[in-house]
Amino acid sequence: DAGVTQSPTHLIKTRGQQVTLRCSPISGHKSVSWYQQVLGQGPQFIFQYYEKEERGRGNFPDRFSARQFPNYSSELNVNALLLGDSALYLCASSLSPRLDTEAFFGQGTRLTVV
Amino acid sequence: AQTVTQSQPEMSVQEAETVTLSCTYDTSESDYYLFWYKQPPSRQMILVIRQEAYKQQNATENRFSVNFQKAAKSFSLKISDSQLGDAAMYFCAYRGAQKLVFGQGTRLTINP
Repeated sequence: DAGVTQSPTHLIKTRGQQVTLRCSPISGHKSVSWYQQVLGQGPQFIFQYYEKEERGRGNFPDRFSARQFPNYSSELNVNALLLGDSALYLCASSLSPRLDTEAFFGQGTRLTVV
Repeated sequence: AQTVTQSQPEMSVQEAETVTLSCTYDTSESDYYLFWYKQPPSRQMILVIRQEAYKQQNATENRFSVNFQKAAKSFSLKISDSQLGDAAMYFCAYRGAQKLVFGQGTRLTINP
């Protein structure tokens, strides 16, 4: 079975541009979460979606948005990119938002803003 | 807000020896889970071990075990018989309502 897949794997953008990152969860998983991992730090929660509805949002500006599609895949959009948005963006999928369900992570998208 | 603190930015151990990675957390929630994740250079987060807060018994997975001290809000990871493949960043994480909260990570080096 395929794990969590994220695309693209690497991306270089210019300040002020917009970017869309994509995530396909494990088959059967209905919950997708997004995390930002700045170099040298632990991942920070951005969004969680379950059954196409936003279930949680971290402390990120409105430039960050996301959505989940009927097939449970998800997109993370970042507008007006700043140099500080350079990071590894991780997607995690799970069966549900329940505490006892394991989260499986993709290999991430490395975003570099120049 | 929940916080997770890993006070050891780097640790090293001789191959086949035992190493313990420290983690403390802060929360007011009563129902939560704690995790240790491994992140090798491939970047993918891999679950190493998990502990349910309501269970007093410490979790064990082969060479990996935890020391969960709920009153002290401490959750350390012990790796026995360290192997070269254990070299990675290790993150302690807390899961409460909806999200995972990660510590800053500990870089583990295995010396042959």
